[in-house]
Amino acid sequence: EAQVTQNPRYLITVTGKKLTVTCSQNMNHEYMSWYRQDPGLGLRQIYYSMNVEVTDKGDVPEGYKVSRKEKRNFPLILESPSPNQTSLYFCASSLQGLDTEAFFGQGTRLTVV
Amino acid sequence: AQKITQTQPGMFVQEKEAVTLDCTYDTSDPSYGLFWYKQPSSGEMIFLIYQGSYDQQNATEGRYSLNFQKARKSANLVISASQLGDSAMYFCAMREPYYGNNRLAFGKGNQVVVIP
Repeated sequence: EAQVTQNPRYLITVTGKKLTVTCSQNMNHEYMSWYRQDPGLGLRQIYYSMNVEVTDKGDVPEGYKVSRKEKRNFPLILESPSPNQTSLYFCASSLQGLDTEAFFGQGTRLTVV
Repeated sequence: AQKITQTQPGMFVQEKEAVTLDCTYDTSDPSYGLFWYKQPSSGEMIFLIYQGSYDQQNATEGRYSLNFQKARKSANLVISASQLGDSAMYFCAMREPYYGNNRLAFGKGNQVVVIP
């Protein structure tokens, strides 16, 4: 089954404690990205990757890191989480192109206290 | 500047009735793609329908249709014969041909509650 898998689904952590949210896709997509969703703001892109070893900033990259060592995996790293990073996070993958459907992971609800 | 505008307040819809969700967009590029996604209370993002800027016909997918008015930069979603399972948040999104970034720019969403 074609899917994007994120882990964990839920995470509560403390300020400053490094964490990683994993994302894996099985569709051989070149393009992967991370979004955060906040009430009243819709989804905003954090980082994206065109292919292996190619990553770049989206609209709200501050406080986040990513890596793309393999095509299928695109982890999101919060080196020193802060409460303003409490949000719902989505990983998405797609083929390149204007008309390609983006497949989303199940979402990770992160709370930083 | 906001690329996608969804301004309707939360909507209550009677089961079996049709509902229209408004979406306007802003782009100067002649080539772009428009998408609608559904987010039920469980949280996942579900792709509903796609419309390309050069498509002559309005897109349809089952009970979903897209009322595409290019000159007005409008891409409204129409859900016919609403069902209880249609209760969700609905997001309009646009993809423009930025070099290297396949980004979807999302609106803030429309909340729909279907009542029996």
